[in-house]
Amino acid sequence: DAMVIQNPRYQVTQFGKPVTLSCSQTLNHNVMYWYQQKSSQAPKLLFHYYDKDFNNEADTPDNFQSRRPNTSFCFLDIRSPGLGDAAMYLCATSSPGTMKKSPLHFGNGTRLTVT
Amino acid sequence: GQQLNQSPQSMFIQEGEDVSMNCTSSSIFNTWLWYKQDPGEGPVLLIALYKAGELTSNGRLTAQFGITRKDSFLNISASIPSDVGIYFCAGQLAGTGKSTFGDGTTLTVKP
Repeated sequence: DAMVIQNPRYQVTQFGKPVTLSCSQTLNHNVMYWYQQKSSQAPKLLFHYYDKDFNNEADTPDNFQSRRPNTSFCFLDIRSPGLGDAAMYLCATSSPGTMKKSPLHFGNGTRLTVT
Repeated sequence: GQQLNQSPQSMFIQEGEDVSMNCTSSSIFNTWLWYKQDPGEGPVLLIALYKAGELTSNGRLTAQFGITRKDSFLNISASIPSDVGIYFCAGQLAGTGKSTFGDGTTLTVKP
């Protein structure tokens, strides 16, 4: 089945130690997103790639970076994680060329713990 | 930026009861989406609405895109224990691909 896969499901890192979360998709969607979700709150968009074009949200801290080496993969890098960065990180995709009908398809998320 | 008001924030119901939740916005959207999220999982799309006035069903779920394009509701009929979870509405503007999410409705179903 076509899907969005996030690895790992659970990640523990130390305060200040860089960490990378990964996302892959078999849907061949043009757009990939990274959301941060804390404790039953709404997902908060960090940034998204439309093809290779990177779009950062205005309030996304510089501590968060992203890479998309090809259509299928997208990475979230947290350069110096703080305790406040502990959250569920959700990757999502949407379909190419039909922006009017492009619901988000989410992965199962990576739960990040910062010790 | 755009904000969505989703209500109620939480619901505690008896198995078999019907449920209704809604989202309102101060500005219009071209698409309304309803997602369900189970603990520790990503949100799963339940229903997508693309046209003002559209009424769409998915099994026991029914959702409508408001005529004003500023609101949407989701109904669940004859609730069952596996309906437990957090339900999110999301609005999209055409051409952006970005979604604005409501704060969620947490549903608890008592057997």
